[in-house]
Amino acid sequence: DADVTQTPRNRITKTGKRIMLECSQTKGHDRMYWYRQDPGLGLRLIYYSFDVKDINKGEISDGYSVSRQAQAKFSLSLESAIPNQTALYFCATSDFRSGRMTNEQFFGPGTRLTVL
Amino acid sequence: TQLLEQSPQFLSIQEGENLTVYCNSSSVFSSLQWYRQEPGEGPVLLVTVVTGGEVKKLKRLTFQFGDARKDSSLHITAAQPGDTGLYLCAGSGAGSYQLTFGKGTKLSVIP
Repeated sequence: DADVTQTPRNRITKTGKRIMLECSQTKGHDRMYWYRQDPGLGLRLIYYSFDVKDINKGEISDGYSVSRQAQAKFSLSLESAIPNQTALYFCATSDFRSGRMTNEQFFGPGTRLTVL
Repeated sequence: TQLLEQSPQFLSIQEGENLTVYCNSSSVFSSLQWYRQEPGEGPVLLVTVVTGGEVKKLKRLTFQFGDARKDSSLHITAAQPGDTGLYLCAGSGAGSYQLTFGKGTKLSVIP
Protein backbone atom coordinates (compact mmCIF):
# COMPACT_ATOMS: atom_id res chain seq x y z
CA ASP A 1 0.00 0.00 0.00
CA ALA A 2 1.14 3.53 -0.79
CA ASP A 3 2.50 5.53 2.14
CA VAL A 4 1.04 8.84 0.89
CA THR A 5 -2.31 8.77 -0.86
CA GLN A 6 -4.25 11.53 -2.56
CA THR A 7 -7.89 11.68 -3.58
CA PRO A 8 -9.19 12.26 -6.13
CA ARG A 9 -6.52 11.47 -8.72
CA ASN A 10 -8.30 13.49 -11.37
CA ARG A 11 -10.89 16.21 -11.06
CA ILE A 12 -12.62 18.45 -13.56
CA THR A 13 -14.62 21.32 -12.15
CA LYS A 14 -16.10 24.62 -13.23
CA THR A 15 -15.11 28.17 -12.40
CA GLY A 16 -16.51 29.28 -9.05
CA LYS A 17 -16.96 25.82 -7.57
CA ARG A 18 -15.51 24.86 -4.20
CA ILE A 19 -13.41 21.74 -4.20
CA MET A 20 -11.31 19.83 -1.73
CA LEU A 21 -8.29 17.67 -2.34
CA GLU A 22 -7.39 15.19 0.35
CA CYS A 23 -4.11 13.65 1.47
CA SER A 24 -3.49 10.82 3.91
CA GLN A 25 -0.22 9.28 5.06
CA THR A 26 0.77 6.16 6.95
CA LYS A 27 4.43 7.10 7.35
CA GLY A 28 3.92 8.62 10.79
CA HIS A 29 5.59 11.85 9.66
CA ASP A 30 4.86 15.07 11.48
CA ARG A 31 5.22 17.50 8.58
CA MET A 32 2.95 17.74 5.56
CA TYR A 33 3.02 19.97 2.47
CA TRP A 34 0.91 20.93 -0.53
CA TYR A 35 2.57 21.83 -3.84
CA ARG A 36 1.34 22.64 -7.29
CA GLN A 37 3.28 21.78 -10.43
CA ASP A 38 2.93 23.70 -13.69
CA PRO A 39 4.89 23.17 -16.91
CA GLY A 40 7.91 25.46 -16.95
CA LEU A 41 7.36 26.64 -13.38
CA GLY A 42 8.33 23.57 -11.40
CA LEU A 43 7.01 22.71 -7.95
CA ARG A 44 5.71 25.60 -5.87
CA LEU A 45 4.77 25.39 -2.21
CA ILE A 46 1.19 26.34 -1.34
CA TYR A 47 0.96 25.53 2.38
CA TYR A 48 2.85 23.47 4.92
CA SER A 49 2.08 22.14 8.38
CA PHE A 50 4.52 21.16 11.10
CA ASP A 51 1.82 19.54 13.21
CA VAL A 52 -1.94 19.64 13.70
CA LYS A 53 -1.90 23.11 15.23
CA ASP A 54 0.80 24.67 13.07
CA ILE A 55 -0.19 25.80 9.56
CA ASN A 56 1.97 28.06 7.43
CA LYS A 57 1.56 29.82 4.11
CA GLY A 58 3.93 28.94 1.32
CA GLU A 59 4.98 30.79 -1.80
CA ILE A 60 1.54 30.84 -3.50
CA SER A 61 -1.22 30.52 -0.88
CA ASP A 62 -3.69 33.05 -2.32
CA GLY A 63 -6.95 31.36 -3.36
CA TYR A 64 -6.22 28.25 -1.28
CA SER A 65 -6.90 27.11 2.26
CA VAL A 66 -5.89 24.00 4.18
CA SER A 67 -6.96 21.92 7.14
CA ARG A 68 -4.84 19.48 9.16
CA GLN A 69 -7.55 17.27 10.62
CA ALA A 70 -5.11 14.82 12.20
CA GLN A 71 -1.42 14.08 12.03
CA ALA A 72 -2.09 11.78 9.09
CA LYS A 73 -4.53 13.97 7.12
CA PHE A 74 -4.01 17.27 5.34
CA SER A 75 -6.59 18.67 2.94
CA LEU A 76 -6.38 21.51 0.44
CA SER A 77 -9.42 23.57 -0.53
CA LEU A 78 -10.08 25.91 -3.41
CA GLU A 79 -12.93 28.10 -2.19
CA SER A 80 -13.84 29.42 -5.63
CA ALA A 81 -11.89 27.68 -8.37
CA ILE A 82 -10.54 29.66 -11.32
CA PRO A 83 -8.98 28.41 -14.57
CA ASN A 84 -5.42 29.41 -13.65
CA GLN A 85 -5.62 26.93 -10.78
CA THR A 86 -5.54 24.15 -13.35
CA ALA A 87 -2.41 22.18 -12.40
CA LEU A 88 -0.99 19.03 -10.86
CA TYR A 89 -1.25 19.09 -7.07
CA PHE A 90 1.03 17.07 -4.83
CA CYS A 91 0.96 16.32 -1.15
CA ALA A 92 4.25 15.50 0.58
CA THR A 93 5.45 14.50 4.04
CA SER A 94 8.68 14.73 5.97
CA ASP A 95 9.90 13.53 9.32
CA PHE A 96 11.51 16.31 11.34
CA ARG A 97 11.63 14.15 14.45
CA SER A 98 14.15 11.83 12.78
CA GLY A 99 16.76 14.47 13.51
CA ARG A 100 18.30 14.29 10.05
CA MET A 101 17.54 17.98 9.38
CA THR A 102 17.67 17.35 5.62
CA ASN A 103 13.92 17.74 5.08
CA GLU A 104 13.67 14.78 2.72
CA GLN A 105 10.14 14.70 1.38
CA PHE A 106 7.91 11.85 0.27
CA PHE A 107 5.27 12.63 -2.30
CA GLY A 108 1.84 11.32 -3.09
CA PRO A 109 0.83 10.36 -6.64
CA GLY A 110 -0.79 13.72 -7.34
CA THR A 111 -4.17 15.10 -8.33
CA ARG A 112 -4.69 16.47 -11.81
CA LEU A 113 -7.13 19.35 -11.48
CA THR A 114 -8.79 21.04 -14.42
CA VAL A 115 -10.89 24.18 -13.90
CA LEU A 116 -13.08 25.03 -16.87
CA THR B 1 15.29 34.07 -2.13
CA GLN B 2 17.23 30.92 -2.94
CA LEU B 3 17.04 29.75 -6.54
CA LEU B 4 18.18 26.54 -8.17
CA GLU B 5 18.89 26.52 -11.90
CA GLN B 6 18.86 23.18 -13.66
CA SER B 7 20.43 22.49 -17.04
CA PRO B 8 19.74 21.33 -19.57
CA GLN B 9 15.98 21.73 -19.46
CA PHE B 10 15.47 18.91 -21.97
CA LEU B 11 17.78 16.05 -22.96
CA SER B 12 17.16 13.31 -25.50
CA ILE B 13 19.81 10.63 -25.89
CA GLN B 14 20.27 7.12 -27.27
CA GLU B 15 20.34 4.09 -25.02
CA GLY B 16 23.88 3.39 -23.84
CA GLU B 17 25.09 7.00 -23.87
CA ASN B 18 26.35 8.86 -20.81
CA LEU B 19 24.92 12.15 -19.62
CA THR B 20 25.29 14.77 -16.93
CA VAL B 21 22.69 17.20 -15.61
CA TYR B 22 23.49 20.20 -13.47
CA CYS B 23 21.93 22.06 -10.59
CA ASN B 24 23.41 25.47 -9.77
CA SER B 25 22.75 28.26 -7.32
CA SER B 26 24.38 31.38 -5.94
CA SER B 27 23.20 30.32 -2.48
CA VAL B 28 24.70 27.83 -0.07
CA PHE B 29 22.56 24.84 0.86
CA SER B 30 22.94 22.69 3.95
CA SER B 31 21.75 19.70 1.95
CA LEU B 32 20.62 18.91 -1.55
CA GLN B 33 18.34 16.20 -2.86
CA TRP B 34 17.67 14.65 -6.24
CA TYR B 35 14.25 13.31 -7.18
CA ARG B 36 12.97 11.50 -10.26
CA GLN B 37 9.39 11.94 -11.43
CA GLU B 38 7.69 9.72 -13.98
CA PRO B 39 4.58 10.81 -15.89
CA GLY B 40 1.45 10.62 -13.77
CA GLU B 41 3.38 10.08 -10.55
CA GLY B 42 4.86 12.14 -7.75
CA PRO B 43 8.60 12.79 -7.36
CA VAL B 44 10.58 9.97 -5.76
CA LEU B 45 13.67 10.71 -3.68
CA LEU B 46 16.89 9.30 -5.17
CA VAL B 47 19.60 10.68 -2.91
CA THR B 48 20.52 13.35 -0.37
CA VAL B 49 23.98 14.95 -0.20
CA VAL B 50 25.04 17.02 2.78
CA THR B 51 28.82 17.47 2.73
CA GLY B 52 30.72 19.70 0.31
CA GLY B 53 32.54 17.53 -2.24
CA GLU B 54 30.45 14.48 -1.38
CA VAL B 55 29.97 11.85 -4.08
CA LYS B 56 27.24 9.21 -3.88
CA LYS B 57 26.59 6.37 -6.28
CA LEU B 58 23.31 4.62 -6.91
CA LYS B 59 23.96 1.86 -9.46
CA ARG B 60 24.62 3.75 -12.74
CA LEU B 61 23.83 7.15 -11.21
CA THR B 62 26.56 9.28 -9.62
CA PHE B 63 25.67 12.38 -7.61
CA GLN B 64 28.13 15.06 -6.57
CA PHE B 65 27.74 18.01 -4.23
CA GLY B 66 29.98 20.97 -4.98
CA ASP B 67 32.76 21.88 -2.56
CA ALA B 68 31.04 25.17 -1.72
CA ARG B 69 27.63 23.46 -1.42
CA LYS B 70 26.15 25.74 -4.10
CA ASP B 71 25.86 23.23 -6.92
CA SER B 72 25.36 19.58 -7.71
CA SER B 73 25.52 17.22 -10.66
CA LEU B 74 23.93 13.94 -11.63
CA HIS B 75 25.82 11.67 -14.02
CA ILE B 76 24.18 8.65 -15.61
CA THR B 77 26.36 5.98 -17.19
CA ALA B 78 25.01 3.87 -20.03
CA ALA B 79 21.52 5.33 -19.93
CA GLN B 80 18.57 2.97 -20.31
CA PRO B 81 14.97 3.66 -21.35
CA GLY B 82 13.94 3.12 -17.71
CA ASP B 83 15.93 6.24 -16.80
CA THR B 84 13.44 8.37 -18.72
CA GLY B 85 11.75 10.94 -16.51
CA LEU B 86 11.93 14.38 -14.97
CA TYR B 87 14.93 14.87 -12.67
CA LEU B 88 14.50 17.49 -9.97
CA CYS B 89 17.06 18.89 -7.59
CA ALA B 90 15.94 20.46 -4.31
CA GLY B 91 17.93 22.34 -1.72
CA SER B 92 17.44 22.98 1.95
CA GLY B 93 19.06 26.04 3.50
CA ALA B 94 20.51 26.14 6.98
CA GLY B 95 17.69 26.64 9.45
CA SER B 96 15.07 26.51 6.70
CA TYR B 97 12.14 24.14 6.92
CA GLN B 98 11.35 24.38 3.22
CA LEU B 99 12.81 22.91 0.07
CA THR B 100 13.69 25.02 -2.94
CA PHE B 101 13.11 23.02 -6.13
CA GLY B 102 14.73 23.49 -9.50
CA LYS B 103 12.46 23.37 -12.54
CA GLY B 104 13.83 20.02 -13.62
CA THR B 105 15.58 18.27 -16.49
CA LYS B 106 13.33 16.18 -18.70
CA LEU B 107 15.30 13.16 -19.89
CA SER B 108 14.25 10.89 -22.73
CA VAL B 109 16.31 7.77 -23.43
CA ILE B 110 15.56 6.33 -26.84
CA PRO B 111 15.91 2.56 -27.29
